[in-house]
Amino acid sequence: QIQLLQSGPGLVKPSQTLSLTCAISGDSVSSLTAAWNWIRQSPSRGLEWLGRTYYMSTWYTNYADSVRSRIIINPDTSKNQFSLQLNSVTPEDTAVYYCARQTDSFDPWGQGTLVIVSS
Amino acid sequence: DIHMTQSPPALSAFVGDRVTITCRASQTINNWLAWYQQKPGKAPKVLIYKASSLESGAPSRFSGSGFGTEFTLTISSLDPDDSAIYYCQQYNTFPYTFGQGTKLEI
Repeated sequence: QIQLLQSGPGLVKPSQTLSLTCAISGDSVSSLTAAWNWIRQSPSRGLEWLGRTYYMSTWYTNYADSVRSRIIINPDTSKNQFSLQLNSVTPEDTAVYYCARQTDSFDPWGQGTLVIVSS
Repeated sequence: DIHMTQSPPALSAFVGDRVTITCRASQTINNWLAWYQQKPGKAPKVLIYKASSLESGAPSRFSGSGFGTEFTLTISSLDPDDSAIYYCQQYNTFPYTFGQGTKLEI
């Protein structure tokens, strides 16, 4: 059974960096058949896909244009996990953040992390 | 970006009813569409992928259809457990995008 377990702070100050980690069990971040995604959900923006990383002989990433200048998604093969880094956050980045595995649709998802951007 | 429009935004129905939720894409997405169910405080859970394929473990009362820009999710006989918000999502083109959701009350 594949499970994703998220960790990271729930409160970030404006202009600082949001950092979350998604630990994978039951699969490998280096899988040739899966991509590893970050998605967020807020009342104002709904469900918003942020980006993904995947391995196919080398590592690739795809990012949403809305966050492209501020986002980094990195795999960590030593710990079988991947991370989200979102720089220069504002209150508009307040949301529940999810990681999710994609082989076709998104399944499974992490448990979600509420991140509040506030001083 | 591909805009996904769901209708209706909300609906109320009874146990045993048949209900249909529609999702329209602003441009063709072939059959790269998924349907998710989300309950309060939980992550979305996939029900249907590739427009009409039932996810393993999802109840058989859920079905999906469509191709191109018009898609439907049908629940053949409502169960009290089906009370939730349902989202469509396209994964044909980056950025992947979701509909705004349909809240189903039973």
